[in-house]
Amino acid sequence: GAGVSQSPSNKVTEKGKDVELRCDPISGHTALYWYRQSLGQGLEFLIYFQGNSAPDKSGLPSDRFSAERTGGSVSTLTIQRTQQEDSAVYLCASSLAGVVDDTQYFGPGTRLTVL
Amino acid sequence: AQSVSQHNHHVILSEAASLELGCNYSYGGTVNLFWYVQYPGQHLQLLLKYFSGDPLVKGIKGFEAEFIKSKFSFNLRKPSVQWSDTAEYFCAVTPGTGGFKTIFGAGTRLFVKA
Repeated sequence: GAGVSQSPSNKVTEKGKDVELRCDPISGHTALYWYRQSLGQGLEFLIYFQGNSAPDKSGLPSDRFSAERTGGSVSTLTIQRTQQEDSAVYLCASSLAGVVDDTQYFGPGTRLTVL
Repeated sequence: AQSVSQHNHHVILSEAASLELGCNYSYGGTVNLFWYVQYPGQHLQLLLKYFSGDPLVKGIKGFEAEFIKSKFSFNLRKPSVQWSDTAEYFCAVTPGTGGFKTIFGAGTRLFVKA
């Protein structure tokens, strides 16, 4: 079946602009995660959604970052007033049931470049 | 703060050599441990995971990892690597109770010479 998809695959923007990154999880997966991978760094947890529960936003680096998940499926990560340090690959993952030992399935990522 | 350390950032091996990639974590409670792999041009995918039971875990493609609680370690091993194992390997930890925040290490790039 189809895996996790993300769009766009690449995004180049100017400093100060807002950007929206989209994630389509695997159908039927209730849990969705966003991560950021900066050059030479590991994956940095940003936010986690599970069903209709309140999301775990503990990893969002600033109030310029926000995310929504509509209808328990598609998610959008929004970065307002982008800064150069926001340049990274943003990865989305989904898992079936959102239990701690669940396997996360990753998308291809969106490479964001802030000029 | 919780963290995951991968000691080797780059490893170069010849085919048939044995592999061991180190992973140490800092978290005092129950943990779930994972190794993920990203092959060139592909998505990140699960290699193996530990959440309870036998501390020696076997994964895909002949990989295994051993959880040593006293050392806070979860090292990845393979007795004989192949050229196709060239990839980036990430160790990750999730608290065993409460919360779903997964902490990843910085990754180890493995290059296997044919």
